[in-house]
Amino acid sequence: GAVVSQHPSRVICKSGTSVKIECRSLDFQATTMFWYRQFPKQSLMLMATSNEGSKATYEQGVEKDKFLINHASLTLSTLTVTSAHPEDSSFYICSASTTNRGRTEAFFGQGTRLTVV
Amino acid sequence: AQTVTQSQPEMSVQEAETVTLSCTYDTSESDYYLFWYKQPPSRQMILVIRQEAYKQQNATENRFSVNFQKAAKSFSLKISDSQLGDAAMYFCAYIGNTDKLIFGTGTRLQVFP
Repeated sequence: GAVVSQHPSRVICKSGTSVKIECRSLDFQATTMFWYRQFPKQSLMLMATSNEGSKATYEQGVEKDKFLINHASLTLSTLTVTSAHPEDSSFYICSASTTNRGRTEAFFGQGTRLTVV
Repeated sequence: AQTVTQSQPEMSVQEAETVTLSCTYDTSESDYYLFWYKQPPSRQMILVIRQEAYKQQNATENRFSVNFQKAAKSFSLKISDSQLGDAAMYFCAYIGNTDKLIFGTGTRLQVFP
C-alpha cells in the first residue's frame, strides 16, 4: 500500500519556540493532505486540510496563525506550531487520501508526539 | 454534516472468541466509504477493513468482517478468533464527497488470554 512518512516522530521544545512537522507521501502524489490532533485516549480531531499550491482550510476553532500549514509540492506538507505552549503538547498525525481505480483510501503517517516544556 | 458514533468506549473479549464493535453514522450523501482503523500502542493507524457504500456485500478480510446496513446507517466490525495482538483502539471512519476522513470516538478492545 501507499506510504506516508512523518517526521520527527517525537520532539521536545521550549515554550515560545516553533516546531515544524513534515509529512511526505513516498510513492504517490497527494494533492490533499490532512492534519489531525489526538489527545490521550481520544479520537483524531481534524485540524486542517492541506491543499497543494493553495492555502490550507482550517476547521472551526483551529487557529491558523498558531498552526501554519504549507503544502509546497504534491508529496510534502508541513505543519509548523508557532510560539508553542505546553497546551500545544499533543500527538499530531498527517494523512493523505488517494483514489485508485475508484477506491478511495487514506494513509497515515506515524505521528509526531510534541511535548512543550 | 456527517457524524460517526461509536457507543462502546471499551470492549473485552477472550482469546479465540468473537467480538463485535458497533458504529453508526449520519449522512445525507449516497456515495461514501466506511472504514475501520486499528490504533495499537505505537499509535500508527492501520486500516483493518473498508466498505464501499454502493456495495451490498459485506466486506471481509480474514478474521475481520463487517455488517453494513445502509438503510440503518450501521457499520459494525466482527473480529473472529480474537488474538492478543488484536488489542488496540478501533476507530470507525467515514469518507464522503469532501475527502475528509471523519472518525468516531473509538472503542478500546482488550483481549484476555
